[in-house]
Amino acid sequence: DVVMTQSPLSLAVTLGQPASISCRSSQSLVYSDGNTYLNWIQQRPGQSPRRLIYKVSNRDSGVPDRFSGSGSGTDFTLKISRVEAEDVGVYFCMQGTHWPKTFGGGTKVEIK
Amino acid sequence: EVQLIESGGGLVQPGGSLRLSCSASGFSFSSYAMLWVRQAPGKGLEYVSAINNNGFNTYYADSVKGRFTISRDNSKNTLYLQMSSLRAEDTALYYCVQNWNSDNWGQGTLVTVSS
Repeated sequence: DVVMTQSPLSLAVTLGQPASISCRSSQSLVYSDGNTYLNWIQQRPGQSPRRLIYKVSNRDSGVPDRFSGSGSGTDFTLKISRVEAEDVGVYFCMQGTHWPKTFGGGTKVEIK
Repeated sequence: EVQLIESGGGLVQPGGSLRLSCSASGFSFSSYAMLWVRQAPGKGLEYVSAINNNGFNTYYADSVKGRFTISRDNSKNTLYLQMSSLRAEDTALYYCVQNWNSDNWGQGTLVTVSS
């Protein structure tokens, strides 16, 4: 199985400051169709997961533009340009290129 | 608006069985693959099973292969997960997820395996 490694495990950020989460895969996530199926999932406290970013850098509907995704091959990053209180939660990267789909261990974002 | 409503969770003894259901609305159910993803208490996310749009192709994580069966009824817009030979390590919140690329998630249904 493809191993997804996230860092850091947790992140304490001052409101209005940027945050960055790294995700590394044990194999390239480029699929035979040329797409890279790397998603970022947000899970707020007590809520179900919600997809924020799909195919590396595409924001889902309703996701604020302070969230951005980048990367290629095996190295990916989620950035929050200015953290707001509603961004508190756990963020997971997820690969959909290889079977089975696998998730990173999660990064907990909290306010300092 | 896409809605995925899971049901069927509960407390079951080790070795027992349970059937989860996911009622879908707000999209053309028969056009989309569907998945089950679970989350053990306080833990991360684990893919469990997937089924293509017409139900002809199914996929399972190694941890549940031979014990769980995914199915769907497109006439009822409903996804199922039949779970048997349940183990303590199957205790988790089970989410119904739309599409291969995990477009939308339900609220989850809790399965507790304990004697």
